[in-house]
Amino acid sequence: AQSVTQLGSHVSVSEGALVLLRCNYSSSVPPYLFWYVQYPNQGLQLLLKYTTGATLVKGINGFEAEFKKSETSFHLTKPSAHMSDAAEYFCAVRTDYKLSFGAGTTVTVRA
Amino acid sequence: EAQVTQNPRYLITVTGKKLTVTCSQNMNHEYMSWYRQDPGLGLRQIYYSMNVEVTDKGDVPEGYKVSRKEKRNFPLILESPSPNQTSLYFCASSQFGGADEQFFGPGTRLTVL
Repeated sequence: AQSVTQLGSHVSVSEGALVLLRCNYSSSVPPYLFWYVQYPNQGLQLLLKYTTGATLVKGINGFEAEFKKSETSFHLTKPSAHMSDAAEYFCAVRTDYKLSFGAGTTVTVRA
Repeated sequence: EAQVTQNPRYLITVTGKKLTVTCSQNMNHEYMSWYRQDPGLGLRQIYYSMNVEVTDKGDVPEGYKVSRKEKRNFPLILESPSPNQTSLYFCASSQFGGADEQFFGPGTRLTVL
């Protein structure tokens, strides 16, 4: 069994401030971890993924995430928020063929 | 252009009237999957298919059927829709399972009255 918990359904940040989105997971086997972004009225787009190896993963649009096995976490960060980062973000865990998503975090960016 | 397409994009129907949402991918992917998205619940997997004629249940399969007769197509069938199936549905595909990136379709917004 696997599950994903995203802490905070809404996050509001000022333009230029740090973006931090929290994700914790549970899995009975080593998982693959993903962050997806969904812009209004669109499908999901992959930001980044962790498979094996380096625990700090860099993605598109300046986002990165760190896999911490001891904390079962995969938090997403971006040093400086841009207005275009306003969207909903989903953390996901995949083992073999099943993919489980968190409930999502909506990010708003204040000018 | 590599893409996943879904039809229709919007559908309003009534309880009990059978419907099919089509999904097609042009990337020769082995794996395809259906999800529903509901506010506060994220995306939940309905069914997935590892290859032609091979399908399995996800987390919320009740009330849905799928078939995979061709590699590129993976239709979602609601034989007797009910209001609790009102949702936003996404189809996705990837080369295989595991670490492969899933590519998502644009979504189908279904309302069952």
